[in-house]
Amino acid sequence: NAGVTQTPKFRVLKTGQSMTLLCAQDMNHEYMYWYRQDPGMGLRLIHYSVGEGTTAKGEVPDGYNVSRLKKQNFLLGLESAAPSQTSVYFCASSSPTGTKYQETQYFGPGTRLLVL
Amino acid sequence: QKEVEQDPGPLSVPEGAIVSLNCTYSNSAFQYFMWYRQYSRKGPELLMYTYSSGNKEDGRFTAQVDKSSKYISLFIRDSQPSDSATYLCAMSAGFNKFYFGSGTKLNVKP
Repeated sequence: NAGVTQTPKFRVLKTGQSMTLLCAQDMNHEYMYWYRQDPGMGLRLIHYSVGEGTTAKGEVPDGYNVSRLKKQNFLLGLESAAPSQTSVYFCASSSPTGTKYQETQYFGPGTRLLVL
Repeated sequence: QKEVEQDPGPLSVPEGAIVSLNCTYSNSAFQYFMWYRQYSRKGPELLMYTYSSGNKEDGRFTAQVDKSSKYISLFIRDSQPSDSATYLCAMSAGFNKFYFGSGTKLNVKP
């Protein structure tokens, strides 16, 4: 049981380049999330999904797109990277209420992104 | 005003000390309260989970929720150098929407 995994672990981009971050979970969770973590800012929600084929905007969605084509995968895309998107990106998943640990999230190890 | 406030620290204590970490919040609808531990360059890992008010104990860790004061605490007894990490509080009013504190950095000195 791997939990939540993220690919890649680290990436350097030049301004204007695009990339996709992949998140996968094997816990059969319905909900998945993308956060960014910056010093002093805590975790900020970018986009989230409440099920396969659905996505919604979070607190800081601008410059990012997401897709949830399969229940176990959640992709985060940067179409034209900017230096302000230099951050650590975390994916998380959770199960709906009614389960043992309802309303808790499980996080991946993170992807460090540097945009030059 | 932020939904969740957390003192960023850093907090430095000697090994064996009792550590108290705290968060305050403004939304009285929060019912689910969590503490995460995050080691340097790692993802947050769930440490404690509490539903509604009261205390919960797990080994050296105790989580307390005081909904009347909108205040939650995490106590670490007999702190160890391996407890050195950033501790994040998180809470939810339901529907799987979570609010996080900015984290308190803890350093336990041998």
